[in-house]
Amino acid sequence: AQKVTQAQTEISVVEKEDVTLDCVYETRDTTYYLFWYKQPPSGELVFLIRRNSFDEQNEISGRYSWNFQKSTSSFNFTITASQVVDSAVYFCALSEARGGSQGNLIFGKGTKLSVKP
Amino acid sequence: DAGVIQSPRHEVTEMGQEVTLRCKPISGHNSLFWYRQTMMRGLELLIYFNNNVPIDDSGMPEDRFSAKMPNASFSTLKIQPSEPRDSAVYFCASSFIAGERTDTQYFGPGTRLTVL
Repeated sequence: AQKVTQAQTEISVVEKEDVTLDCVYETRDTTYYLFWYKQPPSGELVFLIRRNSFDEQNEISGRYSWNFQKSTSSFNFTITASQVVDSAVYFCALSEARGGSQGNLIFGKGTKLSVKP
Repeated sequence: DAGVIQSPRHEVTEMGQEVTLRCKPISGHNSLFWYRQTMMRGLELLIYFNNNVPIDDSGMPEDRFSAKMPNASFSTLKIQPSEPRDSAVYFCASSFIAGERTDTQYFGPGTRLTVL
């Protein structure tokens, strides 16, 4: 069965600190996708990144970076020099690339990040 | 380009009433998903359509819930009769899925449903 675990329920940091959000996943599939979504206080779900299981290259986008390690089944997300606007709930998600459940997103419980000025 | 459109954004109703939530997916997407978000259960998939056909409805809570997709640009999620435990935010998402190609799901703004 597929499962996504975000062990950190809430994190609080002071502006300009770096913060890493952890995500551990379980799947028996060899081909799958991993995602991060952001849910700000306004409530919408904003897509941040998508990674397929064959691409273990880390990715950097501005202050955001992602570390994908298949050996530990982890897909961690780091925000460098955090800002108040980064305050949100962040969700990690997993989907199969094939089969009857292809495309279905399995979400973690989310990590609530609070960045204080 | 317009994203996923959902209506209404907020719905307050009384127990026993019928509720209909609407979704317009992104043009060109062939897959549509309905999710429910609650504090207790988080984000959970209710039903998934591909090319207007329901593929997986195992997440639909019970017979009070039904979903339709009469064409590629419109879907409804109906609850009849509604109960207070149905209070949640309901999200619609769309994507393109064909063969082994699985694109990113983009979400609508959600409908916040309150059943009194």
